[in-house]
Amino acid sequence: EVQLVESGGGLVQPGGSLRLSCTASGFTFSDYWMQWVRQAPGKGLVWVSRINSDGIRTLYADSLKGRFTISRDNAKNTLYLQMNSLRAEDTAVYYCGRVNGDHFDYWGQGTLVAVSS
Amino acid sequence: QSVLTQPPSASGTPGQRVTISCSGSSSSIGTNTVNWYQQLPGTAPKLLIYSNSQRPSGVPDRFSGSKSGTSASLAISGLQSEDEADYYCAAWDDSLNGPVFGGGTKLAVL
Repeated sequence: EVQLVESGGGLVQPGGSLRLSCTASGFTFSDYWMQWVRQAPGKGLVWVSRINSDGIRTLYADSLKGRFTISRDNAKNTLYLQMNSLRAEDTAVYYCGRVNGDHFDYWGQGTLVAVSS
Repeated sequence: QSVLTQPPSASGTPGQRVTISCSGSSSSIGTNTVNWYQQLPGTAPKLLIYSNSQRPSGVPDRFSGSKSGTSASLAISGLQSEDEADYYCAAWDDSLNGPVFGGGTKLAVL
């Protein structure tokens, strides 16, 4: 059974940093692109970033370039999102997902990031 | 403002058929396939339809998708109370070089 479990969310002050993790199981992690999507409270889904299977190629939403960094450790079956210079508008539930062709076939349960003083 | 446009809400009574539209552009839906996700209250999104009209294993055939030009539609027939959820369309956008989502449609089963 495919499972994706996010962790690392929490309350952080504006300007602070946070690293999210997504631990995968039930499939060969190193075979798949992975991604992050976020959802602000009461709002819709917004794509954040994706990374290819060996971690060499990364893509980011234009609005986030320079502040967020996606990475992965295939030996640990873990996806990461390093978030720096956090702002109030980054407050959201962050979901990791497995990319399968042109769609996202599995999603984690999400981890909440709250940016507030 | 989302790149793909969906109606914010839709509704129907049990047993009815409802459709949800999704409008994009030549660089998104016009060129790439459309996927639909269902988000039940308080839960993570779940893949409902991929590649315009394909259903993943386990998704009832009451759910169907279609695409024409720069628009797509999700149809739900035999509406059930457990279909109350938010529905999102998504597609790759060649101009933005990333996937884009619709703003979501909240479906109410009256």
